[in-house]
Amino acid sequence: EVQLVESGGGLVQPGRSLKLSCAASGFTFSNYYMAWVRQAPKKGLEWVATISTSGSRTYYPDSVKGRFTISRDNAKSSLYLQMNSLKSEDTATYYCARHDHTMGLDYWGQGVMVTVSS
Amino acid sequence: DIQMTQSPPSLSASLGDKVTITCQTSQNINKYIAWYQQKPGKAPRLLIGFTSRLVSGIPSRFSGSGSGRDYSFSISNVESEDIASYYCLQYDNSPWTFGGGTKLELK
Repeated sequence: EVQLVESGGGLVQPGRSLKLSCAASGFTFSNYYMAWVRQAPKKGLEWVATISTSGSRTYYPDSVKGRFTISRDNAKSSLYLQMNSLKSEDTATYYCARHDHTMGLDYWGQGVMVTVSS
Repeated sequence: DIQMTQSPPSLSASLGDKVTITCQTSQNINKYIAWYQQKPGKAPRLLIGFTSRLVSGIPSRFSGSGSGRDYSFSISNVESEDIASYYCLQYDNSPWTFGGGTKLELK
């Protein structure tokens, strides 16, 4: 059974940093692109980052480019999101998701809440 | 960037109705569109990928179609468990983009 479990969320002040983790199990982690998606309270879904199987290629929307860094450790079947210079508009539930090239984001974690506030 | 226009933003249906949601993209996405269901407090769940491929275990009352820039998602015979929000996602080109969502409610 595919499982994705996020951790590392919490309350952080504007301008500070936070690192999210996602532990994957139930599939060969190194064979899949992985992604982060967020959802602000009462809002829609926003794609945040994607990383290739080896980690050599990363993709971001303009809203987080230069502030967020996605990475992975295939030996540990883990995905990470380093978030720097956090803003109030980064407040959201962050989901880790597996990316299947044919089907899209096919498995999602339960999400972790990040609140950016002073 | 590819723009996604999902409509309608909300939908009211009776049990047993057929409902349809559309997503129009600003350029051809080569059928790389997925549809998700999300219930309050839960993660999104993939229902359909690559325009029309139903995920294993998802009821056949859910369906998708389209090509080029125009795509649709339908639920035939709406059931109470289908009350949720629905989102489309294009994953043909980065940045991947979601539609704005459609909230399905019971009439």
